[in-house]
Amino acid sequence: AQKVTQAQTEISVVEKEDVTLDCVYETRDTTYYLFWYKQPPSGELVFLIRRNSFDEQNEISGRYSWNFQKSTSSFNFTITASQVVDSAVYFCALSEAFNFGNEKLTFGTGTRLTIIP
Amino acid sequence: SQTIHQWPATLVQPVGSPLSLECTVEGTSNPNLYWYRQAAGRGLQLLFYSVGIGQISSEVPQNLSASRPQDRQFILSSKKLLLSDSGFYLCAWSRGQQRDTQYFGPGTRLTVL
Repeated sequence: AQKVTQAQTEISVVEKEDVTLDCVYETRDTTYYLFWYKQPPSGELVFLIRRNSFDEQNEISGRYSWNFQKSTSSFNFTITASQVVDSAVYFCALSEAFNFGNEKLTFGTGTRLTIIP
Repeated sequence: SQTIHQWPATLVQPVGSPLSLECTVEGTSNPNLYWYRQAAGRGLQLLFYSVGIGQISSEVPQNLSASRPQDRQFILSSKKLLLSDSGFYLCAWSRGQQRDTQYFGPGTRLTVL
């Protein structure tokens, strides 16, 4: 069975500090996808990134960067120079293919990030 | 561009009452559709998914049901709500391709009293 672990339940940092959110996953699939979603106080899940298991290149998008390490089954997310608007719950998720080519996402329990002004 | 709508945004219902939550997607055809529930302080649990009109698969047996009467409409229902049905319900869509990204709607917050 697939599993996603986000060991950090809550993190608080002062604005402009860098912060890394950890994600560790377990899967028997040889091909899989990893995702990060942001859930602001409004509740909607906002898609941030999708990463193919064959692509281990790190990715940077503005202040956001992702470090994918297959050897340690980790897909960590770093926010550089954090801002108050980054305050949210962040979910890491792992895809699992099932019937009819459909996709099931296994979510971690989320990390609540609070940026203190 | 594609957009996904859910209503109502919030709902307070007594135990034993019926439920109907609606989700619609615009700007795409034949999407895969999903219903998730998020209990307070917890992750997301997949409830139902659909690959086409009238095709519903259930992930978790419970007193909820889902229907897809139209291509871009997904409905979550219950005949009699339980206290444990309280939570945040999210609808999501993806293109009908394997491993595609799921995009989520704004959610419905349901409180059963």
